[in-house]
Amino acid sequence: DSGVTQTPKHLITATGQRVTLRCSPRSGDLSVYWYQQSLDQGLQFLIQYYNGEERAKGNILERFSAQQFPDLHSELNLSSLELGDSALYFCASSVSGRADEQYFGPGTRLTVT
Amino acid sequence: GENVEQHPSTLSVQEGDSAVIKCTYSDSASNYFPWYKQELGKRPQLIIDIRSNVGEKKDQRIAVTLNKTAKHFSLHITETQPEDSAVYFCAANSGNFNKFYFGSGTKLNVKP
Repeated sequence: DSGVTQTPKHLITATGQRVTLRCSPRSGDLSVYWYQQSLDQGLQFLIQYYNGEERAKGNILERFSAQQFPDLHSELNLSSLELGDSALYFCASSVSGRADEQYFGPGTRLTVT
Repeated sequence: GENVEQHPSTLSVQEGDSAVIKCTYSDSASNYFPWYKQELGKRPQLIIDIRSNVGEKKDQRIAVTLNKTAKHFSLHITETQPEDSAVYFCAANSGNFNKFYFGSGTKLNVKP
């Protein structure tokens, strides 16, 4: 157990819908990362937050947004969902968010039908 | 942006043999290179990492080497065991060091 929690574990929804994925970092970690992993694919970096502020953006679609709250938990919002958004979404946390070990959560499996 | 390439995509070895996975990166400013192991349906877990001020790092049967000039780094697993079977990902940071780019993964199969 990495200490990073993600909810829900599984999510099935229809195209065009909007969902919110939630992540709680390890105690003491200030940075949260979001990644997307499609079937049999590598991990695509989406976005990183540090202590409530956005630090870096990767290949995140405009339909997706995220935020980190004062209690350091983070939410990833996915809207106008398409079939291609079906994937495993991982959250990871680290202490400083600068070249330090990232601890991954168990992931949320999103299926868009 | 950074581009991380990983080879091979699949690797099959006999138990007890060594396994080597190679990655190249494009951003000369990258300074942190972690390796992750991901078992089927599970989260990626860090197995070893190296920073740009070091050329080699070992942890028991696992070692990583870094060649900054050539912009490549490699994972070496010695005395492989069936439980080493998994997908291994390399990664490199980039830009303002807060972005991470992952390789496409290597599926390692260790045959008993």
